[in-house]
Amino acid sequence: AQSVTQPDIHITVSEGASLELRCNYSYGATPYLFWYVQSPGQGLQLLLKYFSGDTLVQGIKGFEAEFKRSQSSFNLRKPSVHWSDAAEYFCASSRAGTALIFGKGTTLSVSS
Amino acid sequence: EAEVAQSPRYKITEKSQAVAFWCDPISGHATLYWYRQILGQGPELLVQFQDESVVDDSQLPKDRFSAERLKGVDSTLKIQPAELGDSAMYLCASSYGRYNNEQFFGPGTRLTVL
Repeated sequence: AQSVTQPDIHITVSEGASLELRCNYSYGATPYLFWYVQSPGQGLQLLLKYFSGDTLVQGIKGFEAEFKRSQSSFNLRKPSVHWSDAAEYFCASSRAGTALIFGKGTTLSVSS
Repeated sequence: EAEVAQSPRYKITEKSQAVAFWCDPISGHATLYWYRQILGQGPELLVQFQDESVVDDSQLPKDRFSAERLKGVDSTLKIQPAELGDSAMYLCASSYGRYNNEQFFGPGTRLTVL
């Protein structure tokens, strides 16, 4: 069965430092992969998506993610974190025509 | 910018009562999803519609939950009777087509069952 694992429940990063959030997927073929961000009490906003092609994907708000088939990973990165980036981040996968399968999420805290 | 609309944003009810949530997807989006998000978890699919037809409701607790999308546009999710364990965020999402997997999410309805 398809699954998504986010190994880190909570990460704290200093403002201005770099960020990497980990995501591993389980699926025989290459799935569609997504990163969403959720602020408290809000819906989910799409940061970036990977369907095929270039394995380094650029998203909004300065985020990027790299698809690595050999590691079944799709890690999210940002070179310099801002206090406004504090939120819950969800990695998700799907196949064509199906709903999203989400990881349990990683809470990002930003310290000054 | 077009958005997915949901109402109400917050709902407090007592157990055994009936509740209903409404979702209006982005105009032209044929595929509509209802997800449930328990606090501290990722969203999980309850039901997926393609136009007015149910595509996947395998995770919908059908003894108490029902969902409809009669004209293939807006949708209603109902719980009757509500139980304490139903307290969660209910998220609606839509996509242009079933095989276009970019889903746009609404703000959600936060349900508290007392």
